Amino acid sequence: ETGVTQTPRHLVMGMTNKKSLKCEQHLGHNAMYWYKQSAKKPLELMFVYSLEERVENNSVPSRFSPECPNSSHLFLHLHTLQPEDSALYLCASSQDLPERGGNEQFFGPGTRLTVL
Amino acid sequence: AQSVAQPEDQVNVAEGNPLTVKCTYSVSGNPYLFWYVQYPNRGLQFLLKYITGDNLVKGSYGFEAEFNKSQTSFHLKKPSALVSDSALYFCAVRGGIKAAGNKLTFGGGTRVLVKP
Repeated sequence: ETGVTQTPRHLVMGMTNKKSLKCEQHLGHNAMYWYKQSAKKPLELMFVYSLEERVENNSVPSRFSPECPNSSHLFLHLHTLQPEDSALYLCASSQDLPERGGNEQFFGPGTRLTVL
Repeated sequence: AQSVAQPEDQVNVAEGNPLTVKCTYSVSGNPYLFWYVQYPNRGLQFLLKYITGDNLVKGSYGFEAEFNKSQTSFHLKKPSALVSDSALYFCAVRGGIKAAGNKLTFGGGTRVLVKP
């Protein structure tokens, strides 16, 4: 609906697994974001890519590894996660116009991740 | 550093009554302010934004928000609430810094429950 799709919608993984989350935006935007949304915690910005370059990395553990191969696709590679990493992972995109204060971000539906 | 406060975890209102969701912010320079809504099992949806100009901003679904610089507030309002407005509402801010990445800081969210 928003032009941002995420797959899978649900993921259950063990602590030793390796998996990847995928995000695709069909809006022609030049910036993409990963957020983590946990119960009873504010939305946490994890990574920002602008023009395919990472411009923000908010002290995220190395078990989360982002990849932005082009302006339409964003991945989050996961390995050796912990149970406390269980959360809703949201992807967003926007047309980054710093001189105008930035435009609104469009969010995907999220991937509900459960780490056993 | 920029920050957003949403002082109410939950707001209860009867259908047809006015709805207000409070938001205050702290930021360097001119603020760029946003409201988003999240329905269950969905990503965030953009409602409205204040960049510059008229302090009263009108957005989607009959919502509006008033920017008050002296009180550093950006409260969301709807004159007559609907049961379908029941959702989680997030306020977000970006400071007036010309940096790439359009980094938003989100408030903790306010759950709105509209009762028939």
